[in-house]
Parts: sequence; structure tokens; C-alpha cells
Amino acid sequence: EAGVAQSPRYKIIEKRQSVAFWCNPISGHATLYWYQQILGQGPKLLIQFQNNGVVDDSQLPKDRFSAERLKGVDSTLKIQPAKLEDSAVYLCASSSPGTPEKLFFGSGTQLSVL
Amino acid sequence: AQSVSQHNHHVILSEAASLELGCNYSYGGTVNLFWYVQYPGQHLQLLLKYFSGDPLVKGIKGFEAEFIKSKFSFNLRKPSVQWSDTAEYFCAVSFSGGYNKLIFGAGTRLAVHP
Repeated sequence: EAGVAQSPRYKIIEKRQSVAFWCNPISGHATLYWYQQILGQGPKLLIQFQNNGVVDDSQLPKDRFSAERLKGVDSTLKIQPAKLEDSAVYLCASSSPGTPEKLFFGSGTQLSVL
Repeated sequence: AQSVSQHNHHVILSEAASLELGCNYSYGGTVNLFWYVQYPGQHLQLLLKYFSGDPLVKGIKGFEAEFIKSKFSFNLRKPSVQWSDTAEYFCAVSFSGGYNKLIFGAGTRLAVHP
């Protein structure tokens, strides 16, 4: 079974630039999550999709972060403009309708904002 | 606000030593509890979970965890660690009505020396 795919693996940008991350969940997984993991901290949920609808985006900094999941499959997370404090690993996860509590994580995108 | 605390940020053990990693959460309602593990260079994966029933749950690779409701705790244990257990361990909690939103602790980095 193919896992959750994320790209790019690494990204280095300067502050005020924009950046986008892509995630392709496991086939058939209706729920997709974006987490932010800052060094030394646990992952923090940014946004959760159920199919192509947003279930929870309470911790998404909406002035600079946006996410979409067109057609309920893959998803993109965008930051515009980036700040130094956005340096983190951005993790995508998905779960199936049968076992919604079991999350499968991708390898993440490591973002460095200089 | 709901939160998860992991007591130890770094643990160093010798092979065959016993392991116990602490985890406490703050929430008075129904919870689901998880331990995730991230081996070096790999993605986060589920180690074990507790939803209901027997408060002592067994996971993969000889790990177990005990849910003590009165103490709001879900400590992870292993009687005898191996070098291959070197990893970062994250406790996570989801709350009733939370759409499976996971709240993670900050993680414990375990190093096992041969």
C-alpha cells in the first residue's frame, strides 16, 4: 500500500516569499490533515479536511496560510508571505473512514525561512 | 484548553534497561489516547492506542501503555529496550466531539546505547 506522499522534501526561502506544499493521501482516505511541527515541539494541527470540506482550521493563521483540497484527494498548503517563525516541518496525514482515529503520516516538508 | 504533557524530553538508556515514558493530559471528558513513534529518518507511525476497555494496552514491538483515568495519565512502558528502539516518542490525545483532532505532546527523544 502506497503511503502518504509529500513534496518537496526540503524548501529554503527568504522571509516574505511565498511557498506551497503538496500532499497526496493514501487512496480512499477521506480525511486529510496538515500539521506543523516546530523543532522541539510536537505536531500541531493546522487544518483538517473531510473529503473536500474543512472540518477544523481553528489554528491556521489565516492571514498568511491557506489550504485547499480540490476534488477531495490531494491537497496544497500555502504560506504567503512567510515569516521566520514559520520554519518547521509540515506534515500531512490521512485516515480512512473505517479507522478514522488511525493517522498515516507522510515524511513531511522541512521549511527553512531565512 | 486541552493539552498534553510529556515529562521527559530526553532519555538515555542502555540495552535491556526498562523504559517508562510519562504522559499526562488535561481534559475531564472522554478521551482517546495514542502513542506515536518516529524512528530516525522515518515518518510518524502509530505504536498503540486506547479507546475503552482494559486500561492496559499492548502495542507493537513489546510496548505497552496503561491508562489511569484518576491521574489523567497514559504512560508508555517496555520491560527491556533494544538499540532499535532509539526514536522519538509522542503521546497524543483526541477528545470527544473533536473530529479525531489529535493533540500531541512535545515528544521524548530516546537513545538506547548497546
